[in-house]
Amino acid sequence: QQQVKQSPQSLIVQKGGIPIINCAYENTAFDYFPWYQQFPGKGPALLIAIRPDVSEKKEGRFTISFNKSAKQFSLHIMDSQPGDSATYFCAASGSNFGNEKLTFGTGTRLTIIP
Amino acid sequence: EPEVTQTPSHQVTQMGQEVILRCVPISNHLYFYWYRQILGQKVEFLVSFYNNEISEKSEIFDDQFSVERPDGSNFTLKIRSTKLEDSAMYFCASSDRITETQYFGPGTRLLVL
Repeated sequence: QQQVKQSPQSLIVQKGGIPIINCAYENTAFDYFPWYQQFPGKGPALLIAIRPDVSEKKEGRFTISFNKSAKQFSLHIMDSQPGDSATYFCAASGSNFGNEKLTFGTGTRLTIIP
Repeated sequence: EPEVTQTPSHQVTQMGQEVILRCVPISNHLYFYWYRQILGQKVEFLVSFYNNEISEKSEIFDDQFSVERPDGSNFTLKIRSTKLEDSAMYFCASSDRITETQYFGPGTRLLVL
């Protein structure tokens, strides 16, 4: 019940395309859903995050869509660039005034080809 | 921009040896975490720490692991007797009370031979 399932495992998209990465969760106590971007040899960096009170959030070229009833959320990258090539992790946690562990998905290796 | 720092960046050790991984969280943060990532796999939670005590720990965090905040800035993870399967990238993270965003350090790559 604590798992976060992520797909696809890898994704290759042409520059300018819109890669979509999907995640699903079971634990209804989760109420904070961040996406992290990780480059090789680096730590995960927060990209964008959403809470269940909204169905969509946009920050620049990155959009999270959230479907509370289906317990699914997805990341869309608009106008993708080769520099977006990285591993993307979805994650989830419950609110505990900041003191809550993140449960990560298994990651998606995204490659944007010129 | 403030960032989490970790030392060393790489550590090679013999099985059975003790290692200490060090982290300097962001200065005004109150919550501290250790995660690990075995090569090619997902990031896994190890332990969270608040108010000088462990808040939560995972099944991975057994008696061989300990954490400490020895002074006002450092946060350490000690593995008393390393095993081959402890080889992984270890990430420290910190967060504040308001945003709940966890900021990750660059990691320490631990290799146990």
